[in-house]
Amino acid sequence: QSVLPQPPSASGTPGQSVTISCSGSNSNIGKNYVYWYQQFPGTAPKLLIYRESLRPSGVPDRFSGSKSGTSATLAISGLRSEDEASYFCASWDDSLTGSVVFGGGTKLTVL
Amino acid sequence: QVQLVQSGTEVKKSGASVKISCKTSGYDFIRYFIHWVRQAPGQGLEWMGRIDPSRGTTISAQNFQGRLTMTKDTSTTTVYMDLSSLTPDDTAIYYCARDALSSAPKLSYFDFWGLGSLVAVSS
Repeated sequence: QSVLPQPPSASGTPGQSVTISCSGSNSNIGKNYVYWYQQFPGTAPKLLIYRESLRPSGVPDRFSGSKSGTSATLAISGLRSEDEASYFCASWDDSLTGSVVFGGGTKLTVL
Repeated sequence: QVQLVQSGTEVKKSGASVKISCKTSGYDFIRYFIHWVRQAPGQGLEWMGRIDPSRGTTISAQNFQGRLTMTKDTSTTTVYMDLSSLTPDDTAIYYCARDALSSAPKLSYFDFWGLGSLVAVSS
C-alpha cells in the first residue's frame, strides 16, 4: 500500500485531456511540495513537474500540475501516443524520521 | 552533460550484501546530493536514502536503517550504495538520482537519474 495512493490506470484517446490524482495527508502533500515523474517501460523515471506546477526545460506545456489541500493532480491536455507511460507523484513525508514518499504509479494508456 | 553511470546486474543469495556504484560526470560532484531509489519488478518507486558528497553525511529511510550504507569517492566522483542482509524482497532495480536543489531534505527532487542496476536475490 503506497503512502500516496494513485489510480493504477488511466486512459484517453489522442487529443483528449486526462487527469491523474495523488492522494496524501497532512504529513506529506498537505505541508510539502509535490513532484511528478514520468517513466517509460524499461527506462529510468524522468522529472516532469516540480514544486507542484513547474515544468523543467523541455517538458511540453500540455503537462500541468496542481495541488489542493492534501491532494495533487497531474493534467495532460492534447493527449498524444507518446504520453503512454507510468506517472508517479512524490513528496516529502514528515512522519517518523522523514522520507521521500512516492505514489504507487498510474499507467496511462492512449487508446 | 550530466551523466550518472551505474554498475551492472548483481545476482545474490539471501543473507549476502550488494554494493552498487554510481559514477557521476558533467557537473561539480560535491555540490549535489545523490539519492538511491529502488523499484521492485512491476512495482512503484521506493526512496532509500541520500548522501551529501561534500561531507559524506547520509540520511536513510527508516525501512533501511541498519543495513544501508552510502559512501563516496571524491577522486573518482563516484557514489556507492551497500545493502546488507539481502532477502528476495530486495530484488529490484536500484537507481541513483541527483538532487536538483541539494538543500533541505524536504525539498528533495531528482533531475538526473542513472539507468538503474538490477539486483536479483534468491533464497
